[in-house]
Amino acid sequence: AQSVAQPEDQVNVAEGNPLTVKCTYSVSGNPYLFWYVQYPNRGLQFLLKYITGDNLVKGSYGFEAEFNKSQTSFHLKKPSALVSDSALYFCAVRDKDNYGQNFVFGPGTRLSVLP
Amino acid sequence: DTEVTQTPKHLVMGMTNKKSLKCEQHMGHRAMYWYKQKAKKPPELMFVYSYEKLSINESVPSRFSPECPNSSLLNLHLHALQPEDSALYLCASSQAGSSGSLDTGELFFGEGSRLTVL
Repeated sequence: AQSVAQPEDQVNVAEGNPLTVKCTYSVSGNPYLFWYVQYPNRGLQFLLKYITGDNLVKGSYGFEAEFNKSQTSFHLKKPSALVSDSALYFCAVRDKDNYGQNFVFGPGTRLSVLP
Repeated sequence: DTEVTQTPKHLVMGMTNKKSLKCEQHMGHRAMYWYKQKAKKPPELMFVYSYEKLSINESVPSRFSPECPNSSLLNLHLHALQPEDSALYLCASSQAGSSGSLDTGELFFGEGSRLTVL
């Protein structure tokens, strides 16, 4: 089975500073990786995905992620954090079993951007 | 704004009640999902429908009964629930691969239905 890990439960960053939220994956073959954000009492919002191609993926709200095959990582980044970026972030992978229908989430990382 | 609509947003029910959660999408997606999410935890997959057929059941107790009446609608029927079933129930959809091929697309989520079982 394929899985993702997010090694940090909580990340704190000052407003205006760059932010990184880490994700590592364990898959067989080529991974299909995703990042989502969740605000309190809301559904999940899609940020970006890596399927194939350029290792640097750009997404919504100024976020980007870098796919690193040798380190099996897919870290989420933003050059300048905003207080409004404070939320719960999930990395996810499509499990290739069942034609990719098993969409599995990491444990989540809570990001706090301090003013 | 989400293109996946879930109703009701909040539901309170007793352990002997029967209720249903509803989900609707008009994006032409052919895969629809139910997830359960506890506070500060990741969503846990419950069911997946692909082309209106149940393709994944993650060993969910029979007190949860999914139904996919057509390609746009997904229901979750609830009966004899337990207090520990209280959670946010999320519906999602994706394009789905054509028959026999891999789905590589992202999921589109609704805002969820907050369920409290007394």
